Amino acid sequence: GQNIDQPTEMTATEGAIVQINCTYQTSGFNGLFWYQQHAGEAPTFLSYNVLDGLEEKGRFSSFLSRSKGYSYLLLKELQMKDSASYLCAAMDSNYQLIWGAGTKLIIKP
Amino acid sequence: GAVVSQHPSRVICKSGTSVKIECRSLDFQATTMFWYRQFPKQSLMLMATSNEGSKATYEQGVEKDKFLINHASLTLSTLTVTSAHPEDSSFYICSARRIEAEAFFGQGTRLTVV
Repeated sequence: GQNIDQPTEMTATEGAIVQINCTYQTSGFNGLFWYQQHAGEAPTFLSYNVLDGLEEKGRFSSFLSRSKGYSYLLLKELQMKDSASYLCAAMDSNYQLIWGAGTKLIIKP
Repeated sequence: GAVVSQHPSRVICKSGTSVKIECRSLDFQATTMFWYRQFPKQSLMLMATSNEGSKATYEQGVEKDKFLINHASLTLSTLTVTSAHPEDSSFYICSARRIEAEAFFGQGTRLTVV
């Protein structure tokens, strides 16, 4: 079956770095997405990885290892506004998104 | 990123009435649109996938006669919740995608059925 695993909740301190891991199993693979979702709002796109390696976008970076079925989202210089849920989603061979349950990130001062 | 506009953002309707939600891709042609539902503190649940000009493909357990999806053009898809009941109250989100590209989400519609 198809499956995405990510931690349910993480806590980090303002100004610090946090890494949110995601493992996936899909029928075929057409990329790995990370989305940020604040409570009561729709998700917003953060990153897309289809090749192995690290993609850096400002304070956010995303890493993919296709052979390990593994990705992580790295957030640096954490700000209070980064408190949100972070959703990992893998695209299968039919270009369908398989969603993780999301990781709730709590930032403390 | 590309812009997907979803309307309305909030709607309150009476039980038994129908509600239409629109999803538009403003600056690109969306070959595929997805409709999701999200209950509080839960992950997104895919309801259906629609390709322009063809019938939507519904996920298991989603009533196609209750949730009518129309994808009439490459920039517009609509979801109509027919004969709404309080248990249909939820957050509905659409996303639109070009071929082999990432999906972009609409702002979401919070539906409350009273």
